[in-house]
Amino acid sequence: QMTQSPSSLSASVGDTVTITCQASQDISNYLNWYQHKPGKAPKILIHDASILETGVPSRFSGSGSGTDFSFTISSLQPEDLATYYCQQFYSVPRTFGQGTKLEIK
Amino acid sequence: EGQVVESGGGLVQPGGSLRLSCAVSGFTFNNYWMSWVRQAPGKGLEWVASINEDGSEKYYMDSVKGQFTISRDNAKKSLDLQMKSLRIEDTAVYYCARGRNNFRYWGQGTLVTVSS
Repeated sequence: QMTQSPSSLSASVGDTVTITCQASQDISNYLNWYQHKPGKAPKILIHDASILETGVPSRFSGSGSGTDFSFTISSLQPEDLATYYCQQFYSVPRTFGQGTKLEIK
Repeated sequence: EGQVVESGGGLVQPGGSLRLSCAVSGFTFNNYWMSWVRQAPGKGLEWVASINEDGSEKYYMDSVKGQFTISRDNAKKSLDLQMKSLRIEDTAVYYCARGRNNFRYWGQGTLVTVSS
């Protein structure tokens, strides 16, 4: 079970935003973060809690281990409008957080 | 660059069946686990099923066990999801994705609507 917060977030261009994800049990670093834009395929941004996918801008970052994780976007850009999800791969079923809908003011 | 294209979605009555397919290109299909993930209207992402490289291992979410069957044809580089006894709550966009831990190379999804 993954508990993600907040469910929605509004911020301005240039802001730093942070999303958190809490696991119901110790999942080590078996956690990914995805970006999902409306009408598009979801995209993995961070794998293994803190490793940036190739080609993903460095303003995206992840941290955490065990049960508590965070995902940060620094210097928010207009194209970051999307819903963001955490996902654990410690056990089956694979589970996603409820999602955080990010709006740009 | 890997590409994934889903097909087969549509409108089906409750209790009906539907078979989804996923065509893959740009990576060596038979080297990877493949998965289906869905998103119900207004809801988040939900993992549905995964299958290993040669089709000998399959995992399902509890609510679709015995109802959905994941399969693959490595010669055709295709992944299928056979869905039967469909329920209204199975209405969703179904995505095909590469992997079982880290889902990379998702398709745009195919919409399944279960309604009378």
